[in-house]
Amino acid sequence: SQKIEQNSEALNIQEGKTATLTCNYTNYSPAYLQWYRQDPGRGPVFLLLIRENEKEKRKERLKVTFDTTLKQSLFHITASQPADSATYLCGGLEGSSNTGKLIFGQGTTLQVKP
Amino acid sequence: NAGVTQTPKFRILKIGQSMTLQCTQDMNHNYMYWYRQDPGMGLKLIYYSVGAGITDKGEVPNGYNVSRSTTEDFPLRLELAAPSQTSVYFCASSYGAEQETQYFGPGTRLLVL
Repeated sequence: SQKIEQNSEALNIQEGKTATLTCNYTNYSPAYLQWYRQDPGRGPVFLLLIRENEKEKRKERLKVTFDTTLKQSLFHITASQPADSATYLCGGLEGSSNTGKLIFGQGTTLQVKP
Repeated sequence: NAGVTQTPKFRILKIGQSMTLQCTQDMNHNYMYWYRQDPGMGLKLIYYSVGAGITDKGEVPNGYNVSRSTTEDFPLRLELAAPSQTSVYFCASSYGAEQETQYFGPGTRLLVL
């Protein structure tokens, strides 16, 4: 079955360092991947979308890559701050869907220590 | 714009009771989705809709029903609550087509005892 997998272990880093989160997809090739941020007790908030024909996308301190050979997307936060602490979800478009349905990974919790 | 709103915020149900989770969006989005999120897990799609009058099942539809009579509203119905339905429920919407960003509501926390 189509699957999106993220590292379920929390990622702890020091303020100012670059955080790198991984999203792997198996048994299919999503036309795009989306990254969302989720704070405790709140709904996810959209951050970035990257399509399969795009290698890299940036938005302020955020960078996301899409490697179709490794079947992987990497999400980077440069110059991380304690305010970046949250859970980050990766979602891939399901199959050839034109309904916008996303398959989500389990999320990776990032903790940035001052 | 209020975006996506959900009510109630929190509810406790007894086994076998029924309830409707409300979801409304004011962005004139065509596509709407219901997800559930269990602790430490990602989002699982329950039902979705691509427009008024059109709904379809997602990955985990058993025990739920939906309707979409207007563009704005997409209620989720639990008919016979079971402990396995204890979860946090999120409603989301998107314009669809080439604008795929999903906008999420604040969630409804449901506890079935």
